[in-house]
Parts: sequence; C-alpha cells; structure tokens
Amino acid sequence: AQSVTQPDIHITVSEGASLELRCNYSYGATPYLFWYVQSPGQGLQLLLKYFSGDTLVQGIKGFEAEFKRSQSSFNLRKPSVHWSDAAEYFCAVVGGNEKLTFGTGTRLTIIP
Amino acid sequence: DTEVTQTPKHLVMGMTNKKSLKCEQHMGHRAMYWYKQKAKKPPELMFVYSYEKLSINESVPSRFSPECPNSSLLNLHLHALQPEDSALYLCASSPRAAMNTEAFFGQGTRLTVV
Repeated sequence: AQSVTQPDIHITVSEGASLELRCNYSYGATPYLFWYVQSPGQGLQLLLKYFSGDTLVQGIKGFEAEFKRSQSSFNLRKPSVHWSDAAEYFCAVVGGNEKLTFGTGTRLTIIP
Repeated sequence: DTEVTQTPKHLVMGMTNKKSLKCEQHMGHRAMYWYKQKAKKPPELMFVYSYEKLSINESVPSRFSPECPNSSLLNLHLHALQPEDSALYLCASSPRAAMNTEAFFGQGTRLTVV
C-alpha cells in the first residue's frame, strides 16, 4: 500500500520569505500526488496535482511542486509567502487501491 | 458550481440521539466520500460511493450509516455515538472513483458528542 511522509510537523517563516514543504511517498509504481491546504476548522482545498508529464507543476495561490522520482519526493514551494498562507498543508497520494492517503500534515506559521 | 456543500456546519448530539449529516454536489461527480478528521490529524477515509453504490467501507462501526439517495446527495446517519466520535466530518466528491482524479472537499461538519 502507498504511504506519505511529511517530515516537518511545524514550519515558521517570515512574510515575504520563500517556502518549501517536504513530502516523500512510498509506492511501487508512478503515484498520483496532491497537495491540499486546510485553514483552521475548514475543509481542504486542492493546491495542485501531479498525474504525469512535466514534473514541475503549477498550482493556485502561487504554489508549485516538483515531482522527483529518484528521491520519491513531491515538495511544495512558494517564492514569497503571504500572511494568508498560514494553514495546515497535506500531501496526499493515490495508489493502486484508489484511496487518497494523506500525510500527517505540516502546520505553517507566518511571522510579520 | 464547483462546491461541495455540507450541512449542518456544527452539530452537538447526545449519545442516545439520532442525527444525520448531509452533503450535496452539483458537479456531476459520480464518486462521493466521507472522511473523519480528529484534531491535528489528517483526514481518514470512512466510506466511498461510486455510482451511488457503496464501494468501500473502511471497517467503520455500524453506528455510522451512510446513504446515497441520488448522484448529488450523500448522507451520514449517526446513532448511539460515543464522545470519541467527536471530530470534523468531511465530505468529498470526484468525477469518478479512480486514481487520476482530484477530490473536492466540503467545509465539514464539526460534530461534538456529549
């Protein structure tokens, strides 16, 4: 079965600084990968997805992610964060069982 | 319309009550899902409906009973819940229950069992 690891439980960055959130997956074949964002008490919003093709994918709100098969990674990046980016970020994978499996999440705090 | 709508937003119920959570989407999606999310944890899959038929039950206790009356609606009937069932319940939908589709989530129902 597939699994996802987000090694950083909590990250704090200054407003305007760059951001990278790490995600590693475990799956024998090419996975389908997603990043979701969740504000407190809210549902999940899809930021971007990777199914195939170009390994650098662009998403909403200025986010991008790069799929690296050799490292089994799908890290999320943003060149300059805004205070409104403070939220919980979940990496997720769909594998052979067609189930969406989430990582444990990374909480992002933005300081002025 | 790209929304998944869940009602109610908040629900407090006693352990002997019967209540229902509702979920609606008008995107023509044929797969719908219930997830349970405890505080500071990722969502956990409970049920999957594909073409209005239950396709996945993740060994959920029978006090949770899903129902899909039509392709746009998904209900979760609750009966004799325990305090540990308090959580955020998320509904989601996708064009189909397959690997290469994205799921759209509702805002959730915050359930408190007293």
